[in-house]
Amino acid sequence: ELKVEQNPLFLSMQEGKNYTIYCNYSTTSDRLYWYRQDPGKSLESLFVLLSNGAVKQEGRLMASLDTKARLSTLHITAAVHDLSATYFCAVDTRFPNNNAGNMLTFGGGTRLMVKP
Amino acid sequence: DSGVTQTPKHLITATGQRVTLRCSPRSGDLSVYWYQQSLDQGLQFLIQYYNGEERAKGNILERFSAQQFPDLHSELNLSSLELGDSALYFCASGPGLAGGYTDTQYFGPGTRLTVL
Repeated sequence: ELKVEQNPLFLSMQEGKNYTIYCNYSTTSDRLYWYRQDPGKSLESLFVLLSNGAVKQEGRLMASLDTKARLSTLHITAAVHDLSATYFCAVDTRFPNNNAGNMLTFGGGTRLMVKP
Repeated sequence: DSGVTQTPKHLITATGQRVTLRCSPRSGDLSVYWYQQSLDQGLQFLIQYYNGEERAKGNILERFSAQQFPDLHSELNLSSLELGDSALYFCASGPGLAGGYTDTQYFGPGTRLTVL
């Protein structure tokens, strides 16, 4: 059974600081997603990482994927209050049958609070 | 706005009752996914449909069922409801390549179910 673990689960940081959220997963996959969720809201897609070594950046967020280490990171640069939210990583798994579907397995989420 | 719509937004009902949650995917998307988000279980995949056919099944209880109609909208039916079924239920959609991975799954706003 695939397990996806994020750490830290909660992160309180000052504006202007840098930090990294880690996402480890237990089985082989080369497709990983990062989502953002504001309280009581839906999930917003941030990044899709499709291969080993993939790196994507959007504003103050940068995500990377190391499929050999089964590790993805979400790096926050010079945090601002607007980045306060819960961040989820999710691993895409294809079902091993002829009528193959797929599913996302989510990590537990990292609640980020950026203080002025 | 992801383009995925879900109704109703909120649903309050009693134990033992049955409810139906509705989802309309983004225009052109053939795959619909259902997820449950609760405080104790986190975000869990329930079921996937692709172009009217069930393609993948996760931790979906036998009391729950789903279907996707010819117009591609989907319904999730929850019966014999228990207190523990209280959660946020998300629908997501994606292009859904047959037999392969999809691209990003786009999430709807969710239906908050409260079972009293």
